[in-house]
Amino acid sequence: LAKTTQPISMDSYEGQEVNITCSHNNIATNDYITWYQQFPSQGPRFIIQGYKTKVTNEVASLFIPADRKSSTLSLPRVSLSDTAVYYCLVGDNLISSGSARQLTFGSGTQLTVLP
Amino acid sequence: DTEVTQTPKHLVMGMTNKKSLKCEQHMGHRAMYWYKQKAKKPPELMFVYSYEKLSINESVPSRFSPECPNSSLLNLHLHALQPEDSALYLCASSHVGAGELFFGEGSRLTVL
Repeated sequence: LAKTTQPISMDSYEGQEVNITCSHNNIATNDYITWYQQFPSQGPRFIIQGYKTKVTNEVASLFIPADRKSSTLSLPRVSLSDTAVYYCLVGDNLISSGSARQLTFGSGTQLTVLP
Repeated sequence: DTEVTQTPKHLVMGMTNKKSLKCEQHMGHRAMYWYKQKAKKPPELMFVYSYEKLSINESVPSRFSPECPNSSLLNLHLHALQPEDSALYLCASSHVGAGELFFGEGSRLTVL
Protein backbone atom coordinates (compact mmCIF):
# COMPACT_ATOMS: atom_id res chain seq x y z
CA LEU A 1 0.00 0.00 0.00
CA ALA A 2 1.50 3.32 -1.10
CA LYS A 3 1.08 5.29 2.13
CA THR A 4 1.69 9.01 1.77
CA THR A 5 3.44 11.35 4.18
CA GLN A 6 3.06 15.14 4.09
CA PRO A 7 4.00 17.95 6.46
CA ILE A 8 1.16 18.69 8.84
CA SER A 9 1.27 22.44 8.25
CA MET A 10 3.07 25.19 6.35
CA ASP A 11 2.97 28.96 6.48
CA SER A 12 3.71 31.30 3.62
CA TYR A 13 3.26 34.94 2.66
CA GLU A 14 1.21 36.36 -0.15
CA GLY A 15 3.03 36.44 -3.46
CA GLN A 16 5.48 33.68 -2.58
CA GLU A 17 5.84 30.34 -4.29
CA VAL A 18 4.86 27.42 -2.08
CA ASN A 19 6.16 23.89 -2.47
CA ILE A 20 4.45 21.03 -0.63
CA THR A 21 6.20 17.69 -0.70
CA CYS A 22 4.60 14.27 -0.40
CA SER A 23 6.55 11.07 0.27
CA HIS A 24 5.27 7.79 -1.18
CA ASN A 25 8.12 5.30 -0.87
CA ASN A 26 6.03 2.26 -1.83
CA ILE A 27 4.49 3.70 -5.00
CA ALA A 28 3.64 1.01 -7.55
CA THR A 29 4.49 1.02 -11.25
CA ASN A 30 0.92 1.80 -12.33
CA ASP A 31 0.24 4.44 -9.69
CA TYR A 32 -0.51 8.07 -10.40
CA ILE A 33 -0.07 10.97 -7.96
CA THR A 34 -3.04 13.26 -7.45
CA TRP A 35 -3.43 16.43 -5.40
CA TYR A 36 -6.61 17.95 -3.99
CA GLN A 37 -7.37 21.22 -2.19
CA GLN A 38 -10.03 21.52 0.48
CA PHE A 39 -11.54 24.59 2.14
CA PRO A 40 -13.43 24.26 5.45
CA SER A 41 -16.91 22.73 5.10
CA GLN A 42 -16.48 22.17 1.36
CA GLY A 43 -15.68 19.12 -0.72
CA PRO A 44 -12.12 18.62 -1.97
CA ARG A 45 -11.25 20.11 -5.34
CA PHE A 46 -8.93 18.39 -7.84
CA ILE A 47 -5.74 20.35 -8.48
CA ILE A 48 -3.45 18.20 -10.60
CA GLN A 49 -2.42 14.63 -11.43
CA GLY A 50 0.84 13.25 -12.77
CA TYR A 51 2.80 10.08 -13.39
CA LYS A 52 6.38 11.25 -13.89
CA THR A 53 8.60 14.30 -14.50
CA LYS A 54 6.59 17.53 -14.54
CA VAL A 55 2.98 18.42 -15.08
CA THR A 56 1.70 21.98 -15.20
CA ASN A 57 -1.77 23.47 -15.43
CA GLU A 58 -3.25 26.90 -14.89
CA VAL A 59 -3.09 26.70 -11.08
CA ALA A 60 -0.14 24.50 -10.13
CA SER A 61 2.84 22.39 -11.14
CA LEU A 62 3.64 18.88 -10.03
CA PHE A 63 7.25 17.72 -9.94
CA ILE A 64 7.98 13.98 -9.76
CA PRO A 65 11.60 12.74 -9.62
CA ALA A 66 12.74 9.72 -11.58
CA ASP A 67 12.40 7.30 -8.65
CA ARG A 68 8.81 8.57 -8.05
CA LYS A 69 9.18 8.07 -4.29
CA SER A 70 8.12 11.64 -3.67
CA SER A 71 6.36 14.48 -5.41
CA THR A 72 6.16 18.24 -4.96
CA LEU A 73 3.12 20.41 -5.54
CA SER A 74 4.17 23.93 -6.47
CA LEU A 75 1.75 26.85 -6.11
CA PRO A 76 3.08 30.03 -7.74
CA ARG A 77 2.46 33.42 -6.09
CA VAL A 78 -0.03 32.31 -3.45
CA SER A 79 -2.79 34.57 -2.18
CA LEU A 80 -4.83 34.56 1.03
CA SER A 81 -7.50 32.51 -0.76
CA ASP A 82 -5.04 29.63 -1.16
CA THR A 83 -5.24 28.97 2.58
CA ALA A 84 -6.59 25.42 2.66
CA VAL A 85 -5.70 21.78 3.32
CA TYR A 86 -3.81 20.07 0.50
CA TYR A 87 -3.97 16.30 0.08
CA CYS A 88 -1.70 13.96 -1.87
CA LEU A 89 -3.19 10.67 -3.10
CA VAL A 90 -1.48 7.76 -4.82
CA GLY A 91 -3.12 4.95 -6.81
CA ASP A 92 -3.80 3.39 -10.19
CA ASN A 93 -7.20 4.98 -10.94
CA LEU A 94 -8.68 1.51 -11.48
CA ILE A 95 -11.93 1.04 -9.58
CA SER A 96 -12.42 -2.35 -11.18
CA SER A 97 -9.39 -3.64 -9.34
CA GLY A 98 -11.42 -3.34 -6.16
CA SER A 99 -8.69 -1.21 -4.74
CA ALA A 100 -9.37 2.06 -2.99
CA ARG A 101 -5.75 3.18 -2.81
CA GLN A 102 -6.18 6.11 -5.18
CA LEU A 103 -9.28 7.11 -3.27
CA THR A 104 -7.63 7.18 0.16
CA PHE A 105 -6.79 10.60 1.54
CA GLY A 106 -3.75 11.00 3.75
CA SER A 107 -3.50 13.45 6.62
CA GLY A 108 -3.00 16.47 4.37
CA THR A 109 -1.05 19.70 4.76
CA GLN A 110 -2.68 22.80 6.21
CA LEU A 111 -1.31 25.74 4.22
CA THR A 112 -1.80 29.14 5.79
CA VAL A 113 -1.05 32.18 3.66
CA LEU A 114 -0.28 35.29 5.65
CA PRO A 115 -0.64 38.89 4.45
CA ASP B 1 -22.75 21.37 -15.88
CA THR B 2 -19.78 20.45 -13.72
CA GLU B 3 -21.57 20.22 -10.40
CA VAL B 4 -22.32 17.50 -7.93
CA THR B 5 -25.41 18.48 -5.96
CA GLN B 6 -26.03 17.13 -2.49
CA THR B 7 -29.23 17.43 -0.46
CA PRO B 8 -29.95 18.25 2.24
CA LYS B 9 -27.09 20.54 3.21
CA HIS B 10 -27.87 20.01 6.90
CA LEU B 11 -29.69 17.16 8.62
CA VAL B 12 -30.42 16.55 12.27
CA MET B 13 -31.81 13.17 13.22
CA GLY B 14 -32.45 11.04 16.26
CA MET B 15 -30.98 7.61 16.73
CA THR B 16 -34.28 5.92 15.82
CA ASN B 17 -34.96 7.95 12.68
CA LYS B 18 -34.64 6.86 9.07
CA LYS B 19 -33.38 9.47 6.66
CA SER B 20 -31.61 9.65 3.32
CA LEU B 21 -28.89 11.75 1.78
CA LYS B 22 -29.09 12.41 -1.95
CA CYS B 23 -26.48 13.16 -4.57
CA GLU B 24 -26.96 14.06 -8.23
CA GLN B 25 -24.62 14.73 -11.14
CA HIS B 26 -25.19 15.33 -14.84
CA MET B 27 -21.63 15.07 -16.11
CA GLY B 28 -22.08 11.59 -17.58
CA HIS B 29 -19.89 10.09 -14.87
CA ARG B 30 -20.39 6.38 -14.25
CA ALA B 31 -18.45 6.22 -10.96
CA MET B 32 -19.90 7.68 -7.78
CA TYR B 33 -18.57 7.76 -4.26
CA TRP B 34 -19.58 8.40 -0.66
CA TYR B 35 -17.04 9.76 1.81
CA LYS B 36 -17.39 10.61 5.50
CA GLN B 37 -15.37 13.42 7.03
CA LYS B 38 -15.04 14.25 10.71
CA ALA B 39 -13.78 17.64 11.85
CA LYS B 40 -10.05 18.22 11.28
CA LYS B 41 -9.70 14.78 9.64
CA PRO B 42 -9.29 13.72 6.00
CA PRO B 43 -12.25 12.30 4.09
CA GLU B 44 -12.73 8.56 4.59
CA LEU B 45 -14.02 6.45 1.72
CA MET B 46 -17.25 4.58 2.43
CA PHE B 47 -18.65 3.26 -0.86
CA VAL B 48 -17.86 3.27 -4.56
CA TYR B 49 -20.32 2.59 -7.37
CA SER B 50 -19.11 1.81 -10.86
CA TYR B 51 -21.70 1.52 -13.65
CA GLU B 52 -24.43 1.58 -11.00
CA LYS B 53 -23.01 -1.46 -9.22
CA LEU B 54 -21.39 -1.42 -5.80
CA SER B 55 -17.67 -1.92 -6.36
CA ILE B 56 -16.13 -1.02 -3.03
CA ASN B 57 -17.55 -1.12 0.48
CA GLU B 58 -14.97 -0.07 3.02
CA SER B 59 -16.43 -2.21 5.82
CA VAL B 60 -19.09 0.36 6.57
CA PRO B 61 -21.69 -0.58 9.26
CA SER B 62 -25.03 -1.76 7.90
CA ARG B 63 -26.82 1.24 9.38
CA PHE B 64 -25.50 3.02 6.27
CA SER B 65 -27.12 1.66 3.10
CA PRO B 66 -26.10 3.04 -0.30
CA GLU B 67 -28.25 2.95 -3.40
CA CYS B 68 -27.53 3.95 -6.99
CA PRO B 69 -30.92 4.00 -8.79
CA ASN B 70 -29.46 5.33 -12.04
CA SER B 71 -26.27 6.76 -13.48
CA SER B 72 -27.02 10.27 -12.21
CA LEU B 73 -28.21 9.59 -8.68
CA LEU B 74 -26.65 8.23 -5.53
CA ASN B 75 -28.42 7.86 -2.22
CA LEU B 76 -27.23 7.04 1.27
CA HIS B 77 -29.96 5.64 3.50
CA LEU B 78 -29.45 6.16 7.21
CA HIS B 79 -31.05 4.12 9.98
CA ALA B 80 -30.37 3.72 13.68
CA LEU B 81 -27.32 5.94 13.60
CA GLN B 82 -25.14 6.73 16.58
CA PRO B 83 -23.97 10.18 17.74
CA GLU B 84 -20.46 9.31 16.57
CA ASP B 85 -21.83 9.12 13.00
CA SER B 86 -22.22 12.89 13.05
CA ALA B 87 -19.99 14.18 10.26
CA LEU B 88 -19.85 15.83 6.86
CA TYR B 89 -20.91 13.31 4.20
CA LEU B 90 -19.38 13.98 0.81
CA CYS B 91 -20.50 12.64 -2.52
CA ALA B 92 -18.20 12.57 -5.53
CA SER B 93 -18.32 11.39 -9.12
CA SER B 94 -15.84 10.71 -11.89
CA HIS B 95 -15.39 8.97 -15.19
CA VAL B 96 -14.47 5.35 -14.54
CA GLY B 97 -10.68 5.05 -14.61
CA ALA B 98 -10.12 8.78 -14.28
CA GLY B 99 -8.17 10.27 -11.44
CA GLU B 100 -10.19 13.45 -11.09
CA LEU B 101 -13.08 13.22 -8.64
CA PHE B 102 -15.69 15.96 -8.55
CA PHE B 103 -17.02 16.53 -5.04
CA GLY B 104 -20.24 18.03 -3.82
CA GLU B 105 -20.44 20.55 -0.97
CA GLY B 106 -21.46 17.81 1.44
CA SER B 107 -24.34 17.11 3.80
CA ARG B 108 -23.68 18.01 7.43
CA LEU B 109 -25.28 15.30 9.57
CA THR B 110 -25.91 15.61 13.29
CA VAL B 111 -27.18 12.59 15.21
CA LEU B 112 -28.74 13.32 18.58
